[in-house]
Amino acid sequence: AQKVTQAQTEISVVEKEDVTLDCVYETRDTTYYLFWYKQPPSGELVFLIRRNSFDEQNEISGRYSWNFQKSTSSFNFTITASQVVDSAVYFCALSEAGSGGYQKVTFGIGTKLQVIP
Amino acid sequence: NAGVMQNPRHLVRRRGQEARLRCSPMKGHSHVYWYRQLPEEGLKFMVYLQKENIIDESGMPKERFSAEFPKEGPSILRIQQVVRGDSAAYFCASSPPLTETQYFGPGTRLTVL
Repeated sequence: AQKVTQAQTEISVVEKEDVTLDCVYETRDTTYYLFWYKQPPSGELVFLIRRNSFDEQNEISGRYSWNFQKSTSSFNFTITASQVVDSAVYFCALSEAGSGGYQKVTFGIGTKLQVIP
Repeated sequence: NAGVMQNPRHLVRRRGQEARLRCSPMKGHSHVYWYRQLPEEGLKFMVYLQKENIIDESGMPKERFSAEFPKEGPSILRIQQVVRGDSAAYFCASSPPLTETQYFGPGTRLTVL
């Protein structure tokens, strides 16, 4: 069975600090996908990134960067120069590529990030 | 291109009543997924549907819960005889065939009094 662990339940940082959100996953499949979603206080889920298991290249998008390491089964998320608008709950998720395009996504419990002005 | 739509956004029911949650997938998406988020928890998979078919309902409670995705109209998640433990946010996601990314709606927050 697949499992996603986000060990940090809550993190507080002061604005402009860098912060890394940890994500460790377990799966028996060799083909899978990893995701990060953001859930701001308004409650909706915002898709941030998708990574497939064959692509270990790190990715940077503005102030966001992701570090995928298969050797440690980790997919960590770093926000550089954090801003108050980054305050949200961040979910890491894992899906296994099923047949016919079907997938069942497993979410971590989320990390609540509070950025203090 | 409108995103995934869910209504109502907030729903209040008394114990024993029925709750009907609607989800309209993004245009061109034929796959719908329902998830439940209990307070202070992550999302848990409930059911996966394609048009007129339930493909996987392994995450859905065996009693009182049902889901459908008819040929025409939105997908419906129906909870009969609601109890306080059903209070949660229910998210719908959709995807086109043969793709790995699910796009989520804004959720329906169900409160059972």
